[in-house]
Amino acid sequence: DGGITQSPKYLFRKEGQNVTLSCEQNLNHDAMYWYRQDPGQGLRLIYYSQIVNDFQKGDIAEGYSVSREKKESFPLTVTSAQKNPTAFYLCASMAGASGNTIYFGEGSWLTVV
Amino acid sequence: AQKVTQAQTEISVVEKEDVTLDCVYETRDTTYYLFWYKQPPSGELVFLIRRNSFDEQNEISGRYSWNFQKSTSSFNFTITASQVVDSAVYFCALSETSGSARQLTFGSGTQLTVLP
Repeated sequence: DGGITQSPKYLFRKEGQNVTLSCEQNLNHDAMYWYRQDPGQGLRLIYYSQIVNDFQKGDIAEGYSVSREKKESFPLTVTSAQKNPTAFYLCASMAGASGNTIYFGEGSWLTVV
Repeated sequence: AQKVTQAQTEISVVEKEDVTLDCVYETRDTTYYLFWYKQPPSGELVFLIRRNSFDEQNEISGRYSWNFQKSTSSFNFTITASQVVDSAVYFCALSETSGSARQLTFGSGTQLTVLP
């Protein structure tokens, strides 16, 4: 089936540790995104990538890093510099130009313990 | 700057009632796209509809209907004869065509609870 796969679904991290969330898509979409959602709030853009080997910061990029070495993969690393990383993280992708539909993965819950 | 406002934080209805979710947007672009997504308790965002700014025709899909009015910058979503399975958070979103592909802005969402 075509779609966006995020893993792991649930992740616990100790303070001071980096953690990487995986996002893979087989939709042949050019653009990929990472959003963060806090309880009772909307989505905020962390990073996005329109083509391989290129990515741009979103509204809340501090404490996060990404890579786009392959078209189908866009992993997100939550670093120890992120002061409040506990949240729900959603990966998304879009075909073609701006304005097309953005499709989302099932999300990853990150909890810092 | 673009902005999406969903003033209704939470709505509760009894099954079979009709319910309308409001969405008001702000943009300086003349060409833009509006979206509605559903987020059930499992967390994933499910795409419901995409509408471009040049198409003000209302759309109906089963029990769902959307009313787009440029004059009031609104894109409201109505569920007819609501069901318990409609319980979810619903997000309205706006995408401008100017600038980069990052220009997708979400409202804060409306939590809809349909009671049996």
